[in-house]
Amino acid sequence: KQEVTQIPAALSVPEGENLVLNCSFTDSAIYNLQWFRQDPGKGLTSLLLIQSSQREQTSGRLNASLDKSSGRSTLYIAASQPGDSATYLCAVNRAGTALIFGKGTTLSVSS
Amino acid sequence: NAGVTQTPKFQVLKTGQSMTLQCAQDMNHNSMYWYRQDPGMGLRLIYYSASEGTTDKGEVPNGYNVSRLNKREFSLRLESAAPSQTSVYFCASSERRASTDTQYFGPGTRLTVL
Repeated sequence: KQEVTQIPAALSVPEGENLVLNCSFTDSAIYNLQWFRQDPGKGLTSLLLIQSSQREQTSGRLNASLDKSSGRSTLYIAASQPGDSATYLCAVNRAGTALIFGKGTTLSVSS
Repeated sequence: NAGVTQTPKFQVLKTGQSMTLQCAQDMNHNSMYWYRQDPGMGLRLIYYSASEGTTDKGEVPNGYNVSRLNKREFSLRLESAAPSQTSVYFCASSERRASTDTQYFGPGTRLTVL
């Protein structure tokens, strides 16, 4: 059974710091890995999707990497801002199936 | 472009009452999903529909029923609500193509069962 783990559960950093969020999964037979952002009381916003054949994806200050063989993904946030404060969720799936989520990392960026 | 919409946004029920959560998407997606989110448990799949006319159970289907009314709409029904069903419910949809399968989420329904 696929399990997704995110470490740390919570992270506090000062504004401007570069940071890395970690995600690991137990079954390397994934099709996609997706990173989401969730603001308090809100829905999920997709940030990046990495296909299993890809190594990384970038969007603005965000860079996500995937090492399928070791079952790991990282989300790198450059020059963090208070507006980046949110919970970040990692999820994996097989083709055409539902996502299996980690429990998330809650990020707080102080000004 | 509204994306994925859910109604209602908030609901309070008494134990034993029934209700239907509505979800609609305007992206012409084939697949639709219902998840619930609970503190400390993350998001878990309740039911999904790979295409119009099909539905399948997810990780936590007990106490729920679903209907894929057409390609746009996927509803979740609680026949006899229980306090354990207090949660935030999210609907999602995806294109289910081979190359990309990004899931798009609605804003959620916050349900409290007393």
